[in-house]
Amino acid sequence: EAQVTQNPRYLITVTGKKLTVTCSQNMNHEYMSWYRQDPGLGLRQIYYSMNVEVTDKGDVPEGYKVSRKEKRNFPLILESPSPNQTSLYFCASSLSVGGSANSPLHFGNGTRLTVT
Amino acid sequence: GNSVTQMEGPVTLSEEAFLTINCTYTATGYPSLFWYVQYPGEGLQLLLKATKADDKGSNKGFEATYRKETTSFHLEKGSVQVSDSAVYFCALSDTGANNLFFGTGTRLTVIP
Repeated sequence: EAQVTQNPRYLITVTGKKLTVTCSQNMNHEYMSWYRQDPGLGLRQIYYSMNVEVTDKGDVPEGYKVSRKEKRNFPLILESPSPNQTSLYFCASSLSVGGSANSPLHFGNGTRLTVT
Repeated sequence: GNSVTQMEGPVTLSEEAFLTINCTYTATGYPSLFWYVQYPGEGLQLLLKATKADDKGSNKGFEATYRKETTSFHLEKGSVQVSDSAVYFCALSDTGANNLFFGTGTRLTVIP
């Protein structure tokens, strides 16, 4: 089954404790992206990747890191999480340029992160 | 720049009622327009799309028409069901852009 898999689904951590949220897709997609979803703000893009070893900042990259060493994986790293990073995070992928008409985005089921 | 504005929610309707969720956009190029739906506990999934002016996207009884003159892409459904309860996001993809621009989402609750 074609899918984007994120882990974990829920994560509670403390300020400053490094964490990684994994994302994997099995569709051989070139484009991958991370979003955060906050009430009243919709989805905001954190980072995206056009292909292996190619990553770029989205709208809200501060406090996050990503890597794209393999085509299928795109982990999100929070080196020193803070409470304002408490949010619902989504990984997404698409065949080519993110979310174009011929290349819609496929989303994972989300990771709810709480930083205390 | 690019942006999407959709109507504030939440929206609560009775089963079989008519649904409209308004969406307007600004774009610098010739955007494609989308509606994504997020069911409880799941990620977003594409509901419908339109790539040029006057195109109508449709899926699962939902429709939206790309209106360039009013820069709008309103979502409609003639008769909603309880299973349509979800959050609906309007989005645009502009020419040459590397990402989608999402609206803030509208939560729809349909009661029996």
